[in-house]
Amino acid sequence: RKEVEQDPGPFNVPEGATVAFNCTYSNSASQSFFWYRQDCRKEPKLLMSVYSSGNEDGRFTAQLNRASQYISLLIRDSKLSDSATYLCVVMGGANNLFFGTGTRLTVIP
Amino acid sequence: GAGVSQSPSNKVTEKGKDVELRCDPISGHTALYWYRQSLGQGLEFLIYFQGNSAPDKSGLPSDRFSAERTGGSVSTLTIQRTQQEDSAVYLCASSGGGAWETQYFGPGTRLLVL
Repeated sequence: RKEVEQDPGPFNVPEGATVAFNCTYSNSASQSFFWYRQDCRKEPKLLMSVYSSGNEDGRFTAQLNRASQYISLLIRDSKLSDSATYLCVVMGGANNLFFGTGTRLTVIP
Repeated sequence: GAGVSQSPSNKVTEKGKDVELRCDPISGHTALYWYRQSLGQGLEFLIYFQGNSAPDKSGLPSDRFSAERTGGSVSTLTIQRTQQEDSAVYLCASSGGGAWETQYFGPGTRLLVL
């Protein structure tokens, strides 16, 4: 079983829509969780960390559910510029980061 | 300030040749990571350097892969006797401390093995 699993999508949504991505992880001892954004042919960039209490940054909300071992990312009022691949990242043992394969989002005018 | 830089940006090589990929981390960052991203795949962890400690090589896929970090700064990833399945984007990232700190990625080296 993979350390981190994501629905690869693609998710095609109209501008202004709300879209949510989930990601599951296999190691119950994982302590740190992140969402990265990767534009086509670019390097990943940190979008936000995911805290146990959940956290929000503008139109983006991240949630952690330890009991079910998943994290989620909610994007409200989607913009064209949100089109990208969103990578779920989990810190495993020995300070290694494990990346999901990414969920591709396309926001349509 | 300057971000993480990698060279070359693109590399085409023949099967069986050796290649060296270079990473210059952000100045002062103690942690350095190498990842590989194959077409349609997620980022695959390769190796992790933290300060002067022995590197975590648990992600290296075979003994053809090795990496060094000289002087706690620049790192070189070497792939010997390249195979076609080695074709991927090789990304380097650095962070100021432990893995829980933000990792800053370089632009990657696109390797194509013919």
